[in-house]
Amino acid sequence: GEEVAQTPKHLVRGEGQKAKLYCAPIKGHSYVFWYQQVLKNEFKFLISFQNENVFDETGMPKERFSAKCLPNSPCSLEIQATKLEDSAVYFCASSQSLGGVSNQPQHFGDGTRLSIL
Amino acid sequence: EDQVTQSPEALRLQEGESSSLNCSYTVSGLRGLFWYRQDPGKGPEFLFTLYSAGEEKEKERLKATLTKKESFLHITAPKPEDSATYLCAVPITGGFKTIFGAGTRLFVKA
Repeated sequence: GEEVAQTPKHLVRGEGQKAKLYCAPIKGHSYVFWYQQVLKNEFKFLISFQNENVFDETGMPKERFSAKCLPNSPCSLEIQATKLEDSAVYFCASSQSLGGVSNQPQHFGDGTRLSIL
Repeated sequence: EDQVTQSPEALRLQEGESSSLNCSYTVSGLRGLFWYRQDPGKGPEFLFTLYSAGEEKEKERLKATLTKKESFLHITAPKPEDSATYLCAVPITGGFKTIFGAGTRLFVKA
């Protein structure tokens, strides 16, 4: 599609439960990025992919967070044993590969609002 | 340490009152600087990419400029529909990681 599609729009989980978020990048885009946006618009980088390969996961709390981008499937971000501090809006973005990833703007979905109760 | 800082945090303007938003950065080997606009409940929308000092880009009432240490987003004669959060972002580590500034929330009153 022509837009990054994120589902669900809103996800509510009890503390300790699992949460799984999905992202369908724009068709033809090779790069996928996940961000966490908490208060005051602070965007925190989580992980990036080139196709199904992880390229930078330095932002991921590895104990509980995992992400995948498999062929012919939406990308996913999974949080095990959620904590109250995981409450945030999670954004997915995709970009083209033409000219190198640093030259290309990222196209964002509208995010998934995760609420941990 | 790579860092992107935006100022002011919030800016309130009257319609038609021109102003500028600032994005200062500290990164090793700038590969590009991006400006995005974010409306409430939405993802950021791409505005501009700047690659080298001295470069300028324009779109309607917006003009972005870049120096070796900072970028400015100039807003000329803003309208209420320009109200949004403006984000500055810089790719690092070959572009596979991007750091964002905290954004400037712009309010334009009619």
